[in-house]
Parts: sequence; C-alpha cells; structure tokens
Amino acid sequence: KAGVTQTPRYLIKTRGQQVTLSCSPISGHRSVSWYQQTPGQGLQFLFEYFSETQRNKGNFPGRFSGRQFSNSRSEMNVSTLELGDSALYLCASSLALGKEGYTFGSGTRLTVV
Amino acid sequence: GQQLNQSPQSMFIQEGEDVSMNCTSSSIFNTWLWYKQEPGEGPVLLIALYKAGELTSNGRLTAQFGITRKDSFLNISASIPSDVGIYFCAGFNAGNNRKLIWGLGTSLAVNP
Repeated sequence: KAGVTQTPRYLIKTRGQQVTLSCSPISGHRSVSWYQQTPGQGLQFLFEYFSETQRNKGNFPGRFSGRQFSNSRSEMNVSTLELGDSALYLCASSLALGKEGYTFGSGTRLTVV
Repeated sequence: GQQLNQSPQSMFIQEGEDVSMNCTSSSIFNTWLWYKQEPGEGPVLLIALYKAGELTSNGRLTAQFGITRKDSFLNISASIPSDVGIYFCAGFNAGNNRKLIWGLGTSLAVNP
C-alpha cells in the first residue's frame, strides 16, 4: 500500500515568489493535514482538510492557503514568500478526523533565498 | 497555539541503556500518540494510546497513558544505534477532539 506522497522533495524559491506543494494521501484516507517544521519550533499545524472542506486551521497568515480535491489529494500554497518560510512542510493523512493516528509523508524542504 | 510539555529536550546515552521521556499537559487528553522522526523523513507513528492507564508495547518501546489523563510516558529498553531520532508526543485533548496538539520533541543520540 503506497504511503503519503509529497512533491517536490526539495524546492528553492526567491523572496516574493509563490509556491505550491502537493500531497497525495494513502488510498482511502480522506483527511489531509499540513504542518510546518522548523528547528526548535516542532511541528506547527497549518490546516486540515476533510471531504474537500477545511475543518481546522492553525495560526498562520493568510499567505498560507490550501485546498483538497475530490480524490483527497491536497495542495498548499504560500504566496509572497518570506525568508522565514524556509522550513520542512509535512503532509499527513488519516482515515477520518479525530482520534486516528496520522501517517506522514517525507515532506517538502522549502528554502527561500 | 497550545503545545505539550515534552522532556527531556535531548538525551545522549550509551548503547544498551534504557530511555525514558514524558509529555505533560495542563488539560485532559483522550488520545496520546508517540512518533519518531529520522533525519530527512516525516514522523512515523510508534504507539497510540486511547484509555487512561493504558500500557502498550511495540517491541522495545513501551508507552503509558497517565491516569490523570494529563500525561504520557515513553520508555525504550536496551537502546541500539538505530533508535537515534527525534521522538514526538502528540494528542487530542478532550475539549477539541479534532486538532492534534504536539510536543517539541526529544532528540535522542545513542553512542555505540
């Protein structure tokens, strides 16, 4: 059974640009969450989607947005990139919202220069 | 946002030693999860706990759901070099069952 797939694995962007990251969940999983991970800050929750609807949102500015498609694949977009957006962005999928454990992808390493 | 208090922040031990780490919260949780993250990869779920007092093992790893529902513990017995990584606790609190709360992680280094 294929795991959570994130593309691309690595990305270098310039300040002010925008970026779109992609996540394909495990087949049958309908919930997709996104996290930002930076050294010393742990995993910071961005948002969670279920059945194409955003169900939870973290404390990030409006430059961070996401969406989920009918096949449960999800994308997140960051506009007007800042140096501080450099991080590992992780996607996780689960069968449903709530108590289930989440399965993570390997992440996209974004570097903003 | 809310975070769990995870300790210790880092550990450096000798191969063969046992390891203990814990996670505490000011509010009641109804699910505790323990993850391990290796360099360049996403976290991998090790153990999930759903009931107060529950004790669950996964090989050399044992985790417990504290009876107060405000803490959880992870023990690793007879550590080996491949135990190296960052261990995260996470959980759903009773007030907001749908938002996973995370600790900042315990970084484990094992000296062969």
